[in-house]
Amino acid sequence: QSVLTQPPSASGTPGQRVTISCSGSSSNIGSNYVYWYQQLPGTAPKLLIYRNNQRPSGVPDRFSGSKSGTSASLAISGLRSEDEADYYCAAWDDSLSAHWVFGGGTKLTVL
Amino acid sequence: EVQLVESGGGLVKPGGSLRLSCAASGFTFSNAWMSWVRQAPGKGLEWVGRIKSKTDGGTTDYAAPVKGRFTISRDDSKNTLYLQMNSLKTEDTAVYYCTTIGDDQLLNYGMDVWGQGTTVTVSS
Repeated sequence: QSVLTQPPSASGTPGQRVTISCSGSSSNIGSNYVYWYQQLPGTAPKLLIYRNNQRPSGVPDRFSGSKSGTSASLAISGLRSEDEADYYCAAWDDSLSAHWVFGGGTKLTVL
Repeated sequence: EVQLVESGGGLVKPGGSLRLSCAASGFTFSNAWMSWVRQAPGKGLEWVGRIKSKTDGGTTDYAAPVKGRFTISRDDSKNTLYLQMNSLKTEDTAVYYCTTIGDDQLLNYGMDVWGQGTTVTVSS
């Protein structure tokens, strides 16, 4: 059971816009930055969004992040076949045992 | 080139020990807060623990499942991060990644770094 809650799957057709949600609590998303990672099969996670809505250089502007209260979302517009991957949200959790927490991951399928 | 390279994974019996290493290059390792993250087969990402930079105290934090069994350390003279794993359990089987997740030094440049991962299998 992951601390951050993501839908296990999402799908869309090429060119569509897809959003992936990430729900947390006041001790993590509610009080800290949210990060999003893309993981292709057999590879390490790659940073897509940091500090809620910032994009590293090299990440297409088709990817955007937002946060409101204790929830966050990742939006992918102009969906492409190469976007098919697992997506994870992450945040620092300030609870008694401070630690990084992740969502369970969302498998994005491009139909 | 900014890079992290893990090594030391392998097959170990339950109750055994293993030490993972992570060699850093391309950034000021001594200033970085470093973490280990693992991923069990077919599962999601799980944070294992982190170590702060020595200038920030060099303290460590651990996830509950590994606290008391795993120890994170660093050798800034060798730009290397370590994960000593003792009393290993079958549920520790995973790919282990070292990463700079959340480190402000690198995030201020819009990046974080992950190694390619090293596989640990705990089985009799």
